[in-house]
Amino acid sequence: EADIYQTPRYLVIGTGKKITLECSQTMGHDKMYWYQQDPGMELHLIHYSYGVNSTEKGDLSSESTVSRIRTEHFPLTLESARPSHTSQYLCASSGPGQAQSSYNSPLHFGNGTRLTVT
Amino acid sequence: GESVGLHLPTLSVQEGDNSIINCAYSNSASDYFIWYKQESGKGPQFIIDIRSNMDKRQGQRVTVLLNKTVKHLSLQIAATQPGDSAVYFCAENMGEGHQFYFGTGTSLTVIP
Repeated sequence: EADIYQTPRYLVIGTGKKITLECSQTMGHDKMYWYQQDPGMELHLIHYSYGVNSTEKGDLSSESTVSRIRTEHFPLTLESARPSHTSQYLCASSGPGQAQSSYNSPLHFGNGTRLTVT
Repeated sequence: GESVGLHLPTLSVQEGDNSIINCAYSNSASDYFIWYKQESGKGPQFIIDIRSNMDKRQGQRVTVLLNKTVKHLSLQIAATQPGDSAVYFCAENMGEGHQFYFGTGTSLTVIP
């Protein structure tokens, strides 16, 4: 069972507020990801990191930012929340791939933060 | 992004029957595939994976089949139980350093 934790589980805030969604994993995984998911829909990658001090934007444009100062921690920040940011945010991590292989390893997900911006 | 689609958005099965969930992918360079199960209010949970050098892999009550010729992936669940009710996603990946792409999920409902 993967150990990846997201807080808060639910958040309701007003427009214009700054928020940070927390994500921590205890597996020592080098790769971490943030996905956005609307109810019943597919997951869209918004940020990822392949290690400390490495962050990249994903395919889905997002006004959020991330940081990776420690291996186990990958917080996501919205400087000024808007109703269009209402969604579920899922954090995931994965371990290093097999040695001398191009294969990736599965993503392990947290239970998500459901954000509502009023 | 790449297209990973599922043929049926919803599937209802009787408890004890076998379930088959299908997935089509568009990128012939994808070489790693995963099935995830997502229950209400939770994050996706890993079920089973398969690499492109295989065409079948079995787990506990689950089997994944990969047909690279037609770019098709399926998940078979044997003796479906009420606890199997969830949304199932397939995901594809082109290898180390590449991203996973997820399709729209299939909602499985098990009728007692």
